[in-house]
Amino acid sequence: AQSVAQPEDQVNVAEGNPLTVKCTYSVSGNPYLFWYVQYPNRGLQFLLKYITGDNLVKGSYGFEAEFNKSQTSFHLKKPSALVSDSALYFCAVRDMAQTGGFKTIFGAGTRLFVKA
Amino acid sequence: NAGVTQTPKFQVLKTGQSMTLQCAQDMNHNSMYWYRQDPGMGLRLIYYSASEGTTDKGEVPNGYNVSRLNKREFSLRLESAAPSQTSVYFCASRDLAGGSSSYNEQFFGPGTRLTVL
Repeated sequence: AQSVAQPEDQVNVAEGNPLTVKCTYSVSGNPYLFWYVQYPNRGLQFLLKYITGDNLVKGSYGFEAEFNKSQTSFHLKKPSALVSDSALYFCAVRDMAQTGGFKTIFGAGTRLFVKA
Repeated sequence: NAGVTQTPKFQVLKTGQSMTLQCAQDMNHNSMYWYRQDPGMGLRLIYYSASEGTTDKGEVPNGYNVSRLNKREFSLRLESAAPSQTSVYFCASRDLAGGSSSYNEQFFGPGTRLTVL
């Protein structure tokens, strides 16, 4: 089965500084990777995905992610953090479902705290 | 276009009581999902429905049942609630367009916060 790992429970960064939220994956075959964000008391929102093609994927709210096949990583990045970026971030991967089709496996989440 | 809606937003149950969580989507998506979110454990898949008329177990199906009522609606039932089912429950849907060479993102509802005493 596919899996993702988010090694950091929390990431702290000052506003205006670059941020990175880490994700590593384990898949057989081609990886289908995602990042989602969850603001307090809300459902998850899609940020970006990697299916194929360019290793640098751009997404919503100025976020981007770098796919690195040799390091099996898919780190989320932003050049300049905002206080409003403070939220819970989830990395996710496509997995095969038991009866055909696919499902999504989520990491445990990383809480990003951006200090003013 | 409301996206994915869930009812109720909050619920408190006593051990042994039953209830049904409702979910509906208006995006004409084929696939629908139920997750639970617990601190430090991310989202865990309870049940999913790849398409209308099919349902399958996820990682943590014990104590739950689901019904895919039609293409829009996917309900989650707790027959005899237990304190271990205290959690936040999210419903999601996904469009299957693109086939096996693609995989579209999921759209989530706002969640139901359930407490079982």
